[in-house]
Amino acid sequence: GNSVTQMEGPVTLSEEAFLTINCTYTATGYPSLFWYVQYPGEGLQLLLKATKADDKGSNKGFEATYRKETTSFHLEKGSVQVSDSAVYFCALGKNTDKLIFGTGTRLQVFP
Amino acid sequence: DAGVIQSPRHEVTEMGQEVTLRCKPISGHDYLFWYRQTMMRGLELLIYFNNNVPIDDSGMPEDRFSAKMPNASFSTLKIQPSEPRDSAVYFCASSFTGGNQPQHFGDGTRLSIL
Repeated sequence: GNSVTQMEGPVTLSEEAFLTINCTYTATGYPSLFWYVQYPGEGLQLLLKATKADDKGSNKGFEATYRKETTSFHLEKGSVQVSDSAVYFCALGKNTDKLIFGTGTRLQVFP
Repeated sequence: DAGVIQSPRHEVTEMGQEVTLRCKPISGHDYLFWYRQTMMRGLELLIYFNNNVPIDDSGMPEDRFSAKMPNASFSTLKIQPSEPRDSAVYFCASSFTGGNQPQHFGDGTRLSIL
């Protein structure tokens, strides 16, 4: 079946460091891929998405590229800020109605 | 535009009491999802609706949980009787048709059962 695997956290970085959060998926065909972010005390918010192979989703300095050959959708940011501290969820959507979420990765950024 | 609206934001009640959580989806969305989030189990899909009809309730933990969607703009999740292990944050989300569409989440209801 369809599944999403994320790297375990927490990821701890200093401000302005480079961020990578790994996400790989298992699915037949061409799913859509998403990254969501959850700030403390809030619901999940869509951060970016990609709907086909080689697409790059981007938002707020974050990027992720849909890699069909490696079944990956890694999240990257060149210079993190303290305000980026949150939990990040990778998710997969296909012909079924629901999204398949990863377990989430907590990011902690220190000044 | 108004997002998904959940109420109450916080609920504290004693074991055995009935709890009702409410959700107003984004206007025009035809899918509605209920999730539960805990530290131990992460984010779990409980049930979802399409055009007000329940499609998959396999995530509902037991018969004490029930959900309804009487119209396109309102849904409830009810727990009766409540137990301490039901303590969690409950999220409602809505989307347009299709697994390719992003879901829009409410801010959740933080439920504490004493």
